[in-house]
Amino acid sequence: RKEVEQDPGPFNVPEGATVAFNCTYSNSASQSFFWYRQDCRKEPKLLMSVYSSGNEDGRFTAQLNRASQYISLLIRDSKLSDSATYLCVVTPFNDYKLSFGAGTTVTVRA
Amino acid sequence: DADVTQTPRNRITKTGKRIMLECSQTKGHDRMYWYRQDPGLGLRLIYYSFDVKDINKGEISDGYSVSRQAQAKFSLSLESAIPNQTALYFCATSGQGSPDTQYFGPGTRLTVL
Repeated sequence: RKEVEQDPGPFNVPEGATVAFNCTYSNSASQSFFWYRQDCRKEPKLLMSVYSSGNEDGRFTAQLNRASQYISLLIRDSKLSDSATYLCVVTPFNDYKLSFGAGTTVTVRA
Repeated sequence: DADVTQTPRNRITKTGKRIMLECSQTKGHDRMYWYRQDPGLGLRLIYYSFDVKDINKGEISDGYSVSRQAQAKFSLSLESAIPNQTALYFCATSGQGSPDTQYFGPGTRLTVL
């Protein structure tokens, strides 16, 4: 079983729509959680950390469910520029050993 | 200028050739990493280094070697390239205080024929 699993998508949504997707992780010892964004053939970039209480960053909302071992990302009012692959990353607390999901691809159409 | 740079950006080579991928950073970070990315798989750690004298194998080190020439430079070598090493390779760095926040270079697309 993979440590981090994501629905690869693609999620095709019109501009202005809301899109949400999850990521499940197998290691119950995981303490730190992140969403990275990766544009086609480019480097991953940190989008946001995911906190236990959930957190928002503009149109992006991340949630953590420890009991069911998943994290989620919701994008409101989608923009064309949100088209990318979103990588779920988990790790033991403050640790360099990042476990990456294979990514969920989102395509926002005009 | 980019904080983490990689050279070359693209490389096509033949089976059996020796290849070196280079990474430089201006972030002043002690920790550097090499990953590979394959379609349908998450990034996988090949090697990592916490300082110039510290080199460690990652999840998939077989067929690779590294050299940490300076705090700012970390090179990855494929001693005898094989086709299943065709992948996108990323270098990354992190600070000692936040090892789980990593900054990636632009990647090297390597094709082994």
